Amino acid sequence: SQQGEEDPQALSIQEGENATMNCSYKTSINNLQWYRQNSGRGLVHLILIRSNEREKHSGRLRVTLDTSKKSSSLLITASRAADTASYFCATDAYGGAQKLVFGQGTRLTINP
Amino acid sequence: NAGVTQTPKFQVLKTGQSMTLQCAQDMNHNSMYWYRQDPGMGLRLIYYSASEGTTDKGEVPNGYNVSRLNKREFSLRLESAAPSQTSVYFCASVPRAGGYEQYFGPGTRLTVT
Repeated sequence: SQQGEEDPQALSIQEGENATMNCSYKTSINNLQWYRQNSGRGLVHLILIRSNEREKHSGRLRVTLDTSKKSSSLLITASRAADTASYFCATDAYGGAQKLVFGQGTRLTINP
Repeated sequence: NAGVTQTPKFQVLKTGQSMTLQCAQDMNHNSMYWYRQDPGMGLRLIYYSASEGTTDKGEVPNGYNVSRLNKREFSLRLESAAPSQTSVYFCASVPRAGGYEQYFGPGTRLTVT
């Protein structure tokens, strides 16, 4: 079973707009990570937020974490065509072994 | 640094055949992982190796075996391939367990007919 559920499953926006993706999970976590996957490629790490953090920024990315609601969101500001990809959240609930559990992903399309 | 490499990139097997997927990392990472990704799905953990000499089952280990050959290499073996094992397989590594990003290989696309 997959820990994370992402919403929406697909998102299509115009270049320059902001994109927001949400992730919900079921059990307590140590940290939550976001990854990007371009079509036919491996996953690339974007950002990691620990359970005691509420918000984190990296360039045009902003991630929030609400452990009381067991949810996280990824905001991409001023989107670009190159941001077209699938985005996955992954939760680390096991600590030492770091066994990530992935959501099913959000497919983001940026239209020029 | 090449990062995480996987071979082969593509493979077609007939039901019942066996094969080994190879993974190597040159980042001196302690922990390595094997995932599978089915269409429209996220990744599911098959097996992992927290450190050299140890391996453990993940979420979907049935039908697979692994070997942590040394610190660099972690192989995944399908002893008797089944159509349900048609998937894209990804290998990943982390410096050490405990809240670090995982580095992924480019994947192996496997089709079992």
